[in-house]
This record gives sequence, structure tokens and C-alpha cells, in this order.
Amino acid sequence: EPEVTQTPSHQVTQMGQEVILRCVPISNHLYFYWYRQILGQKVEFLVSFYNNEISEKSEIFDDQFSVERPDGSNFTLKIRSTKLEDSAMYFCASRGLAGRYNEQFFGPGTRLTVL
Amino acid sequence: DAKTTQPNSMESNEEEPVHLPCNHSTISGTDYIHWYRQLPSQGPEYVIHGLTSNVNNRMASLAIAEDRKSSTLILHRATLRDAAVYYCILTRAAGNKLTFGGGTRVLVKP
Repeated sequence: EPEVTQTPSHQVTQMGQEVILRCVPISNHLYFYWYRQILGQKVEFLVSFYNNEISEKSEIFDDQFSVERPDGSNFTLKIRSTKLEDSAMYFCASRGLAGRYNEQFFGPGTRLTVL
Repeated sequence: DAKTTQPNSMESNEEEPVHLPCNHSTISGTDYIHWYRQLPSQGPEYVIHGLTSNVNNRMASLAIAEDRKSSTLILHRATLRDAAVYYCILTRAAGNKLTFGGGTRVLVKP
């Protein structure tokens, strides 16, 4: 069964460093998302991406964050200068065809620890 | 998106049915009702969705009140693997972002 994959599973970084979290969505899916979950808290939407551009973003997704689909298979989330409060589990999700209902498929997450 | 209200937690015995309520009194006519769950240390997982009619799939059933102000997710025979946080989420359109609340933590006792 197709699945969303994410790498790395755990990333440890120093405050102020740049990190790139990688996701491989399900092949042929058209919509891509990043969510995050701070330990013990709710899952929060960060950004959605369709047709090579951001379609919606939350207040959390400020200038320090960016997303890219560099090669038609990967979908990346970059945090330019990490802060302690960026420590969280980051989930990538993808969704299929336009024009009808499709559920979002989530990856297993990348745990980001900022020291 | 309209707000949902769910109990914080529920307990069930293995192989018994579980009924998870969700109140969404401010739902609009075009809001979809989605249920996702999150098993421990995993990403969220789709369970079921509906608009107006009751729905069944291999994982669960969704019963939607006639006025759509509430819905109930039914797990017909709970297994230990069903222990998770279950989220009831409304979206204005089928593919919108998911806004997760606190969900209901389901504990399944052997």
C-alpha cells in the first residue's frame, strides 16, 4: 500500500541553525501539507501546497519557514533559523486527485529537537 | 471552520463497541465531518468522513444526526490496536486543511 515517507525520523540541531525536513508524498498526489505537534499538544496546520505554490498557511508559518517541491517527488520544509520553540513532531501529508473527496495521508513524522 | 466538542477520554473493553460522540452545533450546510485517529507515536490516520448520510467503511461507522449538529463514530468491536486519540474535524470543503482539536483518547482494556 502506498505511503508517505519522511526523513530523518529524528533531527537534533542547535538554535539558529537551518534544518530541512524531507517528505516523499504518495505518487500522483496533488496536494501537500505540513503539520506540527509540540509534545503533549494538538496537531497544528502549517501550510498547504498545490500546483507548485502555497495555497494556504497558518500564522505559525512565518518568514522563517519555506516549502519546496524541488524534483516532483520530494516535498521539503525548511526552517531558516531554528528556535527552541520549533521543537516538535513535524508531519507531512498528501492528498490525491482534484475534484472529489480524498483523505489526507500522513507520514510517520520527523521529531525535531532544537537545543 | 466550525468548532467541535468531544469528551477528553473514553474507556472500552476489548471486542465491545465504542461510541464516540462529537458535537458541532455551529456546523454549516456544506461542512464535511471527518474523523481521524492518531495511534501512539504515529501520524494521524483517516478513519471516515460524511456529509449528511450515515456512512460505513471497514474501519468504522459514522452516524450523523438529522440536524447535523452532532455525530457519533462507532467502532463495532474495539481491539487493543484501536487505542488512540480520535479527532472529529469539520471542513468547509472536502480538501481543506484539517484543524485538530484535543480529540478523545480511547483506552481499550483487555
